[in-house]
Amino acid sequence: DAKTTQPPSMDCAEGRAANLPCNHSTISGNEYVYWYRQIHSQGPQYIIHGLKNNETNEMASLIITEDRKSSTLILPHATLRDTAVYYCIVRLEFTFGKGTHLIIQP
Amino acid sequence: DAGVIQSPRHEVTEMGQEVTLRCKPISGHNSLFWYRQTMMRGLELLIYFNNNVPIDDSGMPEDRFSAKMPNASFSTLKIQPSEPRDSAVYFCASSFAPWTDTQYFGPGTRLTVL
Repeated sequence: DAKTTQPPSMDCAEGRAANLPCNHSTISGNEYVYWYRQIHSQGPQYIIHGLKNNETNEMASLIITEDRKSSTLILPHATLRDTAVYYCIVRLEFTFGKGTHLIIQP
Repeated sequence: DAGVIQSPRHEVTEMGQEVTLRCKPISGHNSLFWYRQTMMRGLELLIYFNNNVPIDDSGMPEDRFSAKMPNASFSTLKIQPSEPRDSAVYFCASSFAPWTDTQYFGPGTRLTVL
């Protein structure tokens, strides 16, 4: 089973770009990488997903390395409301690990 | 679209009582998932349905837990009898397909068993 590894916590200054890394070295060729976040006491919220190519939407950008063994979620201009736990998930498993607790500092 | 709807939002009960949690998935979605979240274990999948049929219940902790999906717009998760260790936040999520599509989560039910 493909697993993901994320740093337990990160800080980022408000207005700066937040770059959240994820390692998924055992990912299979047909497995997507999904990113969700969970703001305190709320249900997980979908952010973005991708297979091979970089992806961008109104919330974030997803950069996937060419070998697909790692990816980075980019929040281009972090705000205080982006403080949350961010989960990197490989599609076929959909097991939520510990995630990264991102704290945006004013 | 109202999103995934769960009720009740909070439930406090005493040990030994039956608890029923309810979920209404997003209209048109064919897959429904039940998750449990605790500080110790994080977010774990309990069971999921596809086209109202239970596909994988390997995450259901024990026989005290049961889940049903009588139709495409309604599912229940029942705990009988409840125990203090069942205290957690229970989330329901839905998607068009089980593992090939984005899951959308409800607001959760916070269960406290005294």
